[in-house]
Amino acid sequence: KAGVTQTPRYLIKTRGQQVTLSCSPISGHRSVSWYQQTPGQGLQFLFEYFSETQRNKGNFPGRFSGRQFSNSRSEMNVSTLELGDSALYLCASSAGQVYLSGANVLTFGAGSRLTVL
Amino acid sequence: DQQVKQNSPSLSVQEGRISILNCDYTNSMFDYFLWYKKYPAEGPTFLISISSIKDKNEDGRFTVFLNKSAKHLSLHIVPSQPGDSAVYFCAASLTSYDKVIFGPGTSLSVIP
Repeated sequence: KAGVTQTPRYLIKTRGQQVTLSCSPISGHRSVSWYQQTPGQGLQFLFEYFSETQRNKGNFPGRFSGRQFSNSRSEMNVSTLELGDSALYLCASSAGQVYLSGANVLTFGAGSRLTVL
Repeated sequence: DQQVKQNSPSLSVQEGRISILNCDYTNSMFDYFLWYKKYPAEGPTFLISISSIKDKNEDGRFTVFLNKSAKHLSLHIVPSQPGDSAVYFCAASLTSYDKVIFGPGTSLSVIP
């Protein structure tokens, strides 16, 4: 089955602009998580959506927001971009159901590389 | 506050030898631990996981060991191959559906 698809793969913005990134999860997966990766910081958790509701949230400012649609596709938005927002933004999907046992294995997309000038 | 720590930013190992990647965590309530591998320009891929009720899990060349009392886990790769050269992330979660928290990663280089 198709993997997790993220668009666009690369984009360049200037400070103060806003950006929207898109993620299509694996078919049947209802949970979508977003991460920010910067050098030396690893993957920082942004938020997770399950069945169109934000279920978990990380410690990012309100400029970072997201949503999930009824087909499980998700978007994240960053407003008023700052230089420090330059990063690789990764989306991951998983089944996400509460009743499942075992580790929450995430399947990642290739990421969207954002550069803020 | 970094809840999952990987104190070695990089590691070099000869091909055929054992690679040992270490990870420490601060939250004793974590129930699941995972390892991911990441190549440049690709997303991380899942390698192996372990639950807190076990102390070892093995999958082919990869073995993860968990020491709950020390809040420490390690990933052993035997034998190491050049294709294993990548960044390895340790991760943890409280439940099977909770957010997954990642460490900063360790860059492994396997030298032919």
